[in-house]
Amino acid sequence: RKEVEQDPGPFNVPEGATVAFNCTYSNSASQSFFWYRQDCRKEPKLLMSVYSSGNEDGRFTAQLNRASQYISLLIRDSKLSDSATYLCVVNRADSWGKFQFGAGTQVVVTP
Amino acid sequence: EADIYQTPRYLVIGTGKKITLECSQTMGHDKMYWYQQDPGMELHLIHYSYGVNSTEKGDLSSESTVSRIRTEHFPLTLESARPSHTSQYLCASSRGTSGSYNEQFFGPGTRLTVL
Repeated sequence: RKEVEQDPGPFNVPEGATVAFNCTYSNSASQSFFWYRQDCRKEPKLLMSVYSSGNEDGRFTAQLNRASQYISLLIRDSKLSDSATYLCVVNRADSWGKFQFGAGTQVVVTP
Repeated sequence: EADIYQTPRYLVIGTGKKITLECSQTMGHDKMYWYQQDPGMELHLIHYSYGVNSTEKGDLSSESTVSRIRTEHFPLTLESARPSHTSQYLCASSRGTSGSYNEQFFGPGTRLTVL
């Protein structure tokens, strides 16, 4: 089983709609969770950290479910510019200084 | 914007050449990373540094080597480039603290093509 698993998508979302997707992780001792956004052929950029109590940043909401070992990302009022691949990142079991990246969930927002 | 830089951004080189990919950060981060990413695929850690004079190999077997003589600088060297080394190389750094302030910042990447 992979340490971090994501639905690859693509999630085709009409502009203005809401989309949500999850990421499961295998290490119950993980402490650091992040969502990154990666545009085609660009470097990953931090979208948001995921806090235990859940957190919101504008149209983006992240949740952590430790019992079921998954994190989620919800995007409200989708914009065309939200089209990207969203990477789930979790600190590794063998070293908290290292991270495991998911393969990413592709989101395509259509007019 | 993160202050982490990579040069060159693009490199096309012939088989057998020695190359060095540069990575520098001005944030004073202790931890630095090199990842390899093929198009449409996930990132794979190839090298990791805890701090000055401390490096270790990552998951993906790589024929490259790294050095960390200064906090801000983490170059990656390929002694003899081969077509199988064609990929995007991404450098990252982090503060190295635990919890939610441990995020990594990425450089723009070097897209390497070996002919």
